[in-house]
Amino acid sequence: GQNIDQPTEMTATEGAIVQINCTYQTSGFNGLFWYQQHAGEAPTFLSYNVLDGLEEKGRFSSFLSRSKGYSYLLLKELQMKDSASYLCAVEDSNYQLIWGAGTKLIIKP
Amino acid sequence: SQTIHQWPATLVQPVGSPLSLECTVEGTSNPNLYWYRQAAGRGLQLLFYSVGIGQISSEVPQNLSASRPQDRQFILSSKKLLLSDSGFYLCAWRDGGRDTGELFFGEGSRLTVL
Repeated sequence: GQNIDQPTEMTATEGAIVQINCTYQTSGFNGLFWYQQHAGEAPTFLSYNVLDGLEEKGRFSSFLSRSKGYSYLLLKELQMKDSASYLCAVEDSNYQLIWGAGTKLIIKP
Repeated sequence: SQTIHQWPATLVQPVGSPLSLECTVEGTSNPNLYWYRQAAGRGLQLLFYSVGIGQISSEVPQNLSASRPQDRQFILSSKKLLLSDSGFYLCAWRDGGRDTGELFFGEGSRLTVL
């Protein structure tokens, strides 16, 4: 079966750095997405990785290792507005997205 | 620029009543369209997707149905709602000219079935 695993909840301090991990087992791989979802709102796109390595975009970076079935999202200089759920999704061989349950990130002052 | 809208944002319906959620995309042609449901603590569950007018693929057998009467319109329906249909419903679109690419989501519709 297809499976995406990420921690249910994480807590971090304002101004700090946090890494949210995602491991996956899917039927094929055509890319990995990270989305941010604030409570009660729709998910918004953060990043897309299809090749191994680190993609940096401002305070957010995303890493992929296809051989390990592993990705992480790195958030730097945390702000209170970063409190949200972070969703990992893998595109399988049929170009359909398989979604993790999301990691709820709580930022404390 | 492209935009996506879905409505209504919130609805409370009795068991056995019908449902209609509507989604419209602007600023693009021939998008791939999707309906997802999100239950608390669960990942997004793909319900239906469409690659063109009248073309609907169902991922999960249930009492819901979808239709695409126009290129940029996607409708989710039910004739008789069940308690288990409660959840957060999300419409999304993706560039139909590519196999891959990010999904763009509508605002979401929160359905409570009582």
